[in-house]
Amino acid sequence: DAKTTQPPSMDCAEGRAANLPCNHSTISGNEYVYWYRQIHSQGPQYIIHGLKNNETNEMASLIITEDRKSSTLILPHATLRDTAVYYCIVRAYSMNRDDKIIFGKGTRLHILP
Amino acid sequence: DAGITQSPRHKVTETGTPVTLRCHQTENHRYMYWYRQDPGHGLRLIHYSYGVKDTDKGEVSDGYSVSRSKTEDFLLTLESATSSQTSVYFCAIRTTGGEQYFGPGTRLTVT
Repeated sequence: DAKTTQPPSMDCAEGRAANLPCNHSTISGNEYVYWYRQIHSQGPQYIIHGLKNNETNEMASLIITEDRKSSTLILPHATLRDTAVYYCIVRAYSMNRDDKIIFGKGTRLHILP
Repeated sequence: DAGITQSPRHKVTETGTPVTLRCHQTENHRYMYWYRQDPGHGLRLIHYSYGVKDTDKGEVSDGYSVSRSKTEDFLLTLESATSSQTSVYFCAIRTTGGEQYFGPGTRLTVT
């Protein structure tokens, strides 16, 4: 799986859009970009994933650059409950028996009141 | 939450004792995973399973064994617990779409 680079921490004002960047310059053509988050003391939570088109769901939007070397997760109206560590993971979709996900250190997002 | 439960949720045990953690899922997912999470290390994969009786090692498997005799249950065993295995343990399943969903975690303290 391709390596990702994320800033260790970010702040965002409550009610504003939180934009979390991720660099994945070695991404391969068959690799997807996944985002997860972990709120303190809880298990990680799946947010969204995409291949090359922008994606949106009820939680967030995912913007992937045309060259696919970076992406941005957007939380449109951040609330205090969005304070969490956000993980960007790049991996190929696979049903192979050895499929697994490796988490990096992520970005610690602080939503400020 | 994809119907994932973990038991126990909290456990305190002594060094040298065996410990088994259970992960249970209700949706028949083929892939199941055990992670541990420690300050400064993030989530690290211990073992995973790709079917009944089919398991493999992750990046930090030493001192741990797993078993999966039924689709719905994935057990993690510490044969002889050590203080370095004090951690929060998360179980996860993977859907056919590739997303992983995690359980609530088990906080294990080895004294």
